[in-house]
Amino acid sequence: KAGVTQTPRYLIKTRGQQVTLSCSPISGHRSVSWYQQTPGQGLQFLFEYFSETQRNKGNFPGRFSGRQFSNSRSEMNVSTLELGDSALYLCASSFGERNTEAFFGQGTRLTVV
Amino acid sequence: SQQGEEDPQALSIQEGENATMNCSYKTSINNLQWYRQNSGRGLVHLILIRSNEREKHSGRLRVTLDTSKKSSSLLITASRAADTASYFCATDPNTGRRALTFGSGTRLQVQP
Repeated sequence: KAGVTQTPRYLIKTRGQQVTLSCSPISGHRSVSWYQQTPGQGLQFLFEYFSETQRNKGNFPGRFSGRQFSNSRSEMNVSTLELGDSALYLCASSFGERNTEAFFGQGTRLTVV
Repeated sequence: SQQGEEDPQALSIQEGENATMNCSYKTSINNLQWYRQNSGRGLVHLILIRSNEREKHSGRLRVTLDTSKKSSSLLITASRAADTASYFCATDPNTGRRALTFGSGTRLQVQP
């Protein structure tokens, strides 16, 4: 069974630009959540999608958005990039019900210059 | 903000020794999950323990959960150099929100 696939693995963008990251969950998993990891703030929850609906959103500005498609694949978008958005963005997939494991992809390393 | 803290922040041991990491959290939970992360890479799921469970084993891993103290521990027995990584606990809060809240992590170094 294929794992969680995130693309691209690495990305360099300039301040003010926007970026779209992609996540393909494990087959059969309906929940996709996104996390940001930085040295200063650690791992922080961005949002979670289940059956194309955003169920939860973390404490991030509106520049961070996402969506989920009917095949459960998800994208997240960051507009008007700031230097502080440089981070490892991790996607996690789970079946979606209570008490199920969340499996993570390898992440997308975003560098904003 | 992070739900909990992990202790110690860093741990260095010799191969063959046991490693114990602790995690504390603040709110009631559905479950607690432990993850391993090798430098700059994705998180590898190690084990999930539900709020009504007290102990769980998986290979060389033993996890305990004390909901009255809001704490958990991860024991890695007979450690190997390949166990060198950062270890994180993550809580799935009992709030209806489907969002893991991570601790700050323990950096484990296993010396060969």
